[in-house]
Amino acid sequence: GENVEQHPSTLSVQEGDSAVIKCTYSDSASNYFPWYKQELGKRPQLIIDIRSNVGEKKDQRIAVTLNKTAKHFSLHITETQPEDSAVYFCAARVSGTYKYIFGTGTRLKVLA
Amino acid sequence: GAVVSQHPSWVICKSGTSVKIECRSLDFQATTMFWYRQFPKQSLMLMATSNEGSKATYEQGVEKDKFLINHASLTLSTLTVTSAHPEDSSFYICSARAGTQNTEAFFGQGTRLTVV
Repeated sequence: GENVEQHPSTLSVQEGDSAVIKCTYSDSASNYFPWYKQELGKRPQLIIDIRSNVGEKKDQRIAVTLNKTAKHFSLHITETQPEDSAVYFCAARVSGTYKYIFGTGTRLKVLA
Repeated sequence: GAVVSQHPSWVICKSGTSVKIECRSLDFQATTMFWYRQFPKQSLMLMATSNEGSKATYEQGVEKDKFLINHASLTLSTLTVTSAHPEDSSFYICSARAGTQNTEAFFGQGTRLTVV
């Protein structure tokens, strides 16, 4: 079945710096990759997503890139702010279904 | 965006009792809902797919007789943890897909279950 790996597990950056989180997936037929931000004790919130027919998508300070050949996708956050501190999860949709398999999460700390 | 409401937000129960968690889509119809379990500082693990009007599909390793799922209407799915034990203590989150063409899933706020 689909497997999603995520790195790093923790990431600390200075305010204003960029943060990059990387994920790899196993199912080459997967075609939808969302990223979620989860604050402590709260629900995951979709922050950006990308479909397999595009290589990059940007929304203000957040961007996602997808390399279908290598089966990996990355989240880029620029000009980080303390409120960006949270756990970020990547996910891949299992082909032929609407199930998501989540990565293991990255705890991002933005230091003021 | 679409709203998914989960109830209760937290519950404490005694070992051996059963607990029901509700997941409602408030402003859309959801033919499919998903139940996840999240241990502290860990990822979301898919437990089962809840299909309106039919039996749920469980992931490998998830006991269907312990985690009963009912999806009786297009806006409500319930997860019942039967004969709960302390190891069932976890954060349970549901999600629902809005519409047949929309891939995005919306999450409930989660239910923190503590079994004592």
